[in-house]
Amino acid sequence: EVQLVESGGGLVQPGRSLRLSCTTSGFTFGDYAMSWFRQAPGKGLEWVGFIRSKAYGGTTEYAASVKDRFTISRDDSKSIAYLQMNSLKTEDTAVYYCTRVVGDGYNNAFDIWGQGTMVTVSS
Amino acid sequence: QSVLTQPPSVSGAPGQRVTISCTGSSSNIGAGYDVHWYQQLPGTAPQLLIYGNSHRPSGVPDRFSGSKSGTSASLAISGLQAEDEADYYCQSYDSSLSGHWVFGGGTKLTVL
Repeated sequence: EVQLVESGGGLVQPGRSLRLSCTTSGFTFGDYAMSWFRQAPGKGLEWVGFIRSKAYGGTTEYAASVKDRFTISRDDSKSIAYLQMNSLKTEDTAVYYCTRVVGDGYNNAFDIWGQGTMVTVSS
Repeated sequence: QSVLTQPPSVSGAPGQRVTISCTGSSSNIGAGYDVHWYQQLPGTAPQLLIYGNSHRPSGVPDRFSGSKSGTSASLAISGLQAEDEADYYCQSYDSSLSGHWVFGGGTKLTVL
């Protein structure tokens, strides 16, 4: 069974850092791009960022709202994707989801989602 | 303000058919990028419902169907069931400066 499990969420003060992990199983992790999304309480879905597979350079892209503060990385040997969040703001408060990516690049869909992990940024 | 526009809510009685619209622009749906749909049941993570405008992943009932035309797309749900009550989101790619992968604001489906 394909599974994604996020961890690392919690309460953090504004300006501090937090690293989320997405532990995967049931598929060949290295063959897939991975993406992170978030959903603020009572709000819709927002794309956060994306990391390509090593076959496509392992490069990353980010939403403007998190660019230069958030970094996505991957460890193919452990089948884990990471989201490093620095300089956190109160508006970063949300449930964070990691997803597997399928598609040809622009037409990507996100076919498997983790259960999410809550990040609360508050003093 | 979401890049893709969906109605905030729709409703229907069991057995009826409802549609949810998703309106974009020339930088996303109108540019030819695919539309995908996600279902988010209460208190759970989203699930891919329709991909590539009209294709259903394995396990999704054929009561769910998708279509796309011009700068818009639609999700149709026929034979409504109580368990269909959920939030539905459309998603596409946007090639504008603020681009990348964008969503509609979501539509809450209520089964009366």
